[in-house]
Amino acid sequence: IAGITQAPTSQILAAGRRMTLRCTQDMRHNAMYWYRQDLGLGLRLIHYSNTAGTTGKGEVPDGYSVSRANTDDFPLTLASAVPSQTSVYFCASSEKSSDTQYFGPGTRLTVL
Amino acid sequence: GQNIDQPTEMTATEGAIVQINCTYQTSGFNGLFWYQQHAGEAPTFLSYNVLDGLEEKGRFSSFLSRSKGYSYLLLKELQMKDSASYLCAVLDSNYQLIWGAGTKLIIKP
Repeated sequence: IAGITQAPTSQILAAGRRMTLRCTQDMRHNAMYWYRQDLGLGLRLIHYSNTAGTTGKGEVPDGYSVSRANTDDFPLTLASAVPSQTSVYFCASSEKSSDTQYFGPGTRLTVL
Repeated sequence: GQNIDQPTEMTATEGAIVQINCTYQTSGFNGLFWYQQHAGEAPTFLSYNVLDGLEEKGRFSSFLSRSKGYSYLLLKELQMKDSASYLCAVLDSNYQLIWGAGTKLIIKP
């Protein structure tokens, strides 16, 4: 089934721990994105990649890093988690940066 | 700064029509998107406008006025399953989506 998968579905993490959220798409989309969604706020872009091998910073990149070694995978790493990173994280992809974005099911992360 | 405004919450009756407004101020404009998001789920694409006017897609229509920085989403023949949040987003000059906080639509029988 074509689409985007994210793992894990949810996670509780101790502050200071390292965590990688996984995102894989099988639509051969060039562009991929990581957003966080917090109550009362719009989706905020963390990092993006317009094509494999390139990445860029979004609105709220601090404390997060990404890599794009191939077309399908776009992992998001929290090097040392802090409670303010408690959020729902969505990965999305689009054929190119100007096209409609399609979202994965999300990862609910709680940092204690 | 960039800003997308939409009402926080709206209530409507099953079978009725509701209009959800969105105003925006962004650095550049490359199109406006509407997404639907049910509680606990991912946003799903509803519509895209880049030219002024109305785009109709079944029970849902979306309107854009670029000169006014304004869009609306019109939902007709409301069904209980339409209870969700509706997100307005603008593609800016850097081809990044700027998102509104969303409008929670409550449908009453």
